[in-house]
Amino acid sequence: DAKTTQPNSMESNEEEPVHLPCNHSTISGTDYIHWYRQLPSQGPEYVIHGLTSNVNNRMASLAIAEDRKSSTLILHRATLRDAAVYYCILRDNNYGQNFVFGPGTRLSVLP
Amino acid sequence: NAGVTQTPKFQVLKTGQSMTLQCAQDMNHEYMSWYRQDPGMGLRLIHYSVGAGITDQGEVPNGYNVSRSTTEDFPLRLLSAAPSQTSVYFCASSSLGGNQPQHFGDGTRLSIL
Repeated sequence: DAKTTQPNSMESNEEEPVHLPCNHSTISGTDYIHWYRQLPSQGPEYVIHGLTSNVNNRMASLAIAEDRKSSTLILHRATLRDAAVYYCILRDNNYGQNFVFGPGTRLSVLP
Repeated sequence: NAGVTQTPKFQVLKTGQSMTLQCAQDMNHEYMSWYRQDPGMGLRLIHYSVGAGITDQGEVPNGYNVSRSTTEDFPLRLLSAAPSQTSVYFCASSSLGGNQPQHFGDGTRLSIL
């Protein structure tokens, strides 16, 4: 079972910021929080990951709650190319370092 | 940069046929895995490998075999195809270590009639 909970879908207007939430209340102290996205007809693509501190890269920012039970992926200016399914993922300790994928959040970006 | 390469991209089989889905990576990654994705769902782990000669089962291994004779290649074999195996199959690779990003191929779309 997925260890994370995300909204099924979200909508954003082009060039506006998007905040994608994720709850992971059963996270362990050593679990990294990973975010991937899947564009139509493609494999998942790495976005960002973090442990405790907020993280930034060229694609997005990751804000992690102080208790680590939730996090938020921030796209600073959504573009039409950001329309995708976004997955918030923890590692599955039953299967090595593999990920447990839930259904994710389908982000629609309106022009 | 090739990354993770999956072949074929599309395949149609008849029930009972066997086939091998190919996966190759050129990043010298120790860790490789196979997932399947059904409509509207996330990915589910089929098999994985932490290095050449080592494989293990994931969440949904029944009906599939794997082998890892080299670091680069991790083929997935369907022994006797069934309609329930109609899905999109993704191969992934990464360096060892739980915080390492996984690199995914573009998938093989498989239909079993």
